[in-house]
Amino acid sequence: AQSVTQLGSHVSVSEGALVLLRCNYSSSVPPYLFWYVQYPNQGLQLLLKYTTGATLVKGINGFEAEFKKSETSFHLTKPSAHMSDAAEYFCAVSAANFGNEKLTFGTGTRLTIIP
Amino acid sequence: ETGVTQTPRHLVMGMTNKKSLKCEQHLGHNAMYWYKQSAKKPLELMFVYNFKEQTENNSVPSRFSPECPNSSHLFLHLHTLQPEDSALYLCASSRAAGTGETQYFGPGTRLLVL
Repeated sequence: AQSVTQLGSHVSVSEGALVLLRCNYSSSVPPYLFWYVQYPNQGLQLLLKYTTGATLVKGINGFEAEFKKSETSFHLTKPSAHMSDAAEYFCAVSAANFGNEKLTFGTGTRLTIIP
Repeated sequence: ETGVTQTPRHLVMGMTNKKSLKCEQHLGHNAMYWYKQSAKKPLELMFVYNFKEQTENNSVPSRFSPECPNSSHLFLHLHTLQPEDSALYLCASSRAAGTGETQYFGPGTRLLVL
């Protein structure tokens, strides 16, 4: 079984400030972890993912996330927020074993950028 | 660039209607998925097809009937829906199901059941 918890359904940051979106997961097997972004009236777009190897993962648009096994966390960060980052962000987990294709999503965090 | 298209983008239907949602992927993938996105709830996986075979039915009511005629096309047939079925229905595809393959999503069909 696996689950995802995203702390904070709404986060507001000033333009140019640090963005931190929190994600904690639970999984009975080694996890694959994902961050997706959804802009209004659009589908989900992959920002980054962790499967194996380096625990600090860099994605598109200047975002990165660090897999911390001891904390069961995969928080998303960006050093300097831009107005175009306003969107909804979803963390997701799947099990790292062949044949288990279930991708479990969190409830999402809506990011607002304050000019 | 997703390479996954969905039609229609918006759909309003009565509870006695029959309609179909269509998804097409242009990425050469072999797995396709249907998700339901409702307000205030996590995305819910509905169905998975891997190489045209259904490999997951996540306890979805029979009023939703998927069809996957080939690896590029996926349909969701709808009949006698309920107002609580109103949601955004998202289609996704990946190279194959499982093993952490990235899923690419379409823009979704926003469905309203009256």
